[in-house]
Amino acid sequence: GQQLNQSPQSMFIQEGEDVSMNCTSSSIFNTWLWYKQEPGEGPVLLIALYKAGELTSNGRLTAQFGITRKDSFLNISASIPSDVGIYFCAGSIYSSGTYKYIFGTGTRLKVLA
Amino acid sequence: GAVVSQHPSRVICKSGTSVKIECRSLDFQATTMFWYRQFPKKSLMLMATSNEGSKATYEQGVEKDKFLINHASLTLSTLTVTSAHPEDSSFYICSALLGLVGAGTQYFGPGTRLTVL
Repeated sequence: GQQLNQSPQSMFIQEGEDVSMNCTSSSIFNTWLWYKQEPGEGPVLLIALYKAGELTSNGRLTAQFGITRKDSFLNISASIPSDVGIYFCAGSIYSSGTYKYIFGTGTRLKVLA
Repeated sequence: GAVVSQHPSRVICKSGTSVKIECRSLDFQATTMFWYRQFPKKSLMLMATSNEGSKATYEQGVEKDKFLINHASLTLSTLTVTSAHPEDSSFYICSALLGLVGAGTQYFGPGTRLTVL
């Protein structure tokens, strides 16, 4: 089946540092979505990408839809303690006559003050 | 932004009882909603796709008679866990799709923590 490889799985960083995480696949995606989830809550949409090459920012967050449509990255600049959480990428692909949404395994971010 | 609510946020029930979870899109209409299950420290596992006015599409391995889904309106989908057992204890999350399937954006509810005693 289709897989979405998300890396890194987890990372500890110092407050103020920049963070980068990415998702790759062998499949071509129609959309890429980035979410953040905190314990006991549902994922919250951070950035949505709809076109290959699209680069979108949301405050300190920047994400890009890869040109090949098989990857995407999320950058967080000048991290702060409240950035702690699990970040998921997700994308939609067309397979077997239908669209499916696939989620990455998540990147667990811990920020040290 | 698009808001999705879920009710209840937490539920504790006895083994053998049924539990209904509601998912509502508050400020948009959603022809398609999704139901996920999430285990501790794991990613979301898609259980089924709920389509307004038609039968839900279940993922492989998910028992449709166990997890009943009803999408009776463009703003409401319900998941009923029938004859719940302790192994059904989990975090259940719904999402509503804003836009067309494949090109739209999923907005998630806050989740429901189910504990079956």
